[in-house]
Amino acid sequence: DAGVTQSPTHLIKTRGQQVTLRCSPKSGHDTVSWYQQALGQGPQFIFQYYEEEERQRGNFPDRFSGHQFPNYSSELNVNALLLGDSALYLCASRDRRGTSGAYNEQFFGPGTRLTVL
Amino acid sequence: AQSVTQLGSHVSVSEGALVLLRCNYSSSVPPYLFWYVQYPNQGLQLLLKYTSAATLVKGINGFEAEFKKSETSFHLTKPSAHMSDAAEYFCAVSVVTSGTYKYIFGTGTRLKVLA
Repeated sequence: DAGVTQSPTHLIKTRGQQVTLRCSPKSGHDTVSWYQQALGQGPQFIFQYYEEEERQRGNFPDRFSGHQFPNYSSELNVNALLLGDSALYLCASRDRRGTSGAYNEQFFGPGTRLTVL
Repeated sequence: AQSVTQLGSHVSVSEGALVLLRCNYSSSVPPYLFWYVQYPNQGLQLLLKYTSAATLVKGINGFEAEFKKSETSFHLTKPSAHMSDAAEYFCAVSVVTSGTYKYIFGTGTRLKVLA
């Protein structure tokens, strides 16, 4: 059973560029969330997708956008990159339809390390 | 607003010693609490979760946590530290908004195990 996968593993961009990160959820999961983890910090919630729509958004600017595909995979796009966008970007998936409700934990991928120069 | 606070950004223990990582929560409703571990250059792995079925929760790798409502705490413990426990540990609360769930994480505690 494949867990959450993310690509690429590492990425180096320059300021002003755009980047797309990809995530495939754990088998059987329909909900994908994205988190940004700056160095030495805890992950910060960016947004969540299910049924191909953004359902909830954290305190991130519109430069951060996303998409979910019919197969539940997801992309995170960041435009006009800033130095401060350098971070580990984590994708997490969850089975929203599970019977445990709020106790259904999120499963995290290994992350994409984005460096903005 | 719900939140978690982790006291101590760095904790060092000797191998074989007790591990105690602190987490306090702020919530006006019964919280959904989780502990995750992050090894270097990896994602987060679930250690354990509080489901309200029992106040003492046992997780993987010998870790456990006790939910104490009176103290609004959910501290993580392990009786005997192993070198392989060296990692960063995050406490998180799951917040429900309009039927969707997101985690709010603490700032993390980096555990160092001394030989």
